[in-house]
Amino acid sequence: ILNVEQSPQSLHVQEGDSTNFTCSFPSSNFYALHWYRWETAKSPEALFVMTLNGDEKKKGRISATLNTKEGYSYLYIKGSQPEDSATYLCAFYHYGGSQGNLIFGKGTKLSVKP
Amino acid sequence: KAGVTQTPRYLIKTRGQQVTLSCSPISGHRSVSWYQQTPGQGLQFLFEYFSETQRNKGNFPGRFSGRQFSNSRSEMNVSTLELGDSALYLCASSRDRVSGETQYFGPGTRLLVL
Repeated sequence: ILNVEQSPQSLHVQEGDSTNFTCSFPSSNFYALHWYRWETAKSPEALFVMTLNGDEKKKGRISATLNTKEGYSYLYIKGSQPEDSATYLCAFYHYGGSQGNLIFGKGTKLSVKP
Repeated sequence: KAGVTQTPRYLIKTRGQQVTLSCSPISGHRSVSWYQQTPGQGLQFLFEYFSETQRNKGNFPGRFSGRQFSNSRSEMNVSTLELGDSALYLCASSRDRVSGETQYFGPGTRLLVL
């Protein structure tokens, strides 16, 4: 059974702190790794789609790295702000035969206190 | 550009009934995927449709079905509802195969089965 693990499950930080979370996924048959931010009462919002080993992507204060050989991705938030409070999801694209689909982790819930 | 829309947003049904949920993708997007989220679980993949064809199906019973129309709008049907079907149902659209493409989510339909 393919599994995507995210850690920690939840995180409480103070405004201004930098933080990072981990996403672990199967390293074989890698295709793509997606990161999403899901704020309460809103739709999940795509942050990054990463496909190449060693990929680094950045969007404002948020960045992500990808290691497909060892099966992990890190998401970093520099100088956390209260508006960064959300659940961060990663999803591994599993491709089997001629079909594929995204397998999501359970997310890391980030709370940023002012 | 209008986002992904889902109707209805909330729904209450009783056991044994059936329900149809609707999803309108972003204009120009041909792929629509459906996901279920229950408390404590990550997003679980239901199925993906592309150009009116089901490309992939998750591990759900046959009571869950869907279809896609020529305008890429998609519907999901659940027959003989069970209490465990109470969940948030999200659809997401992308231009093409979801592997390396950004996926855009709708606001979801929250289904309560009594």
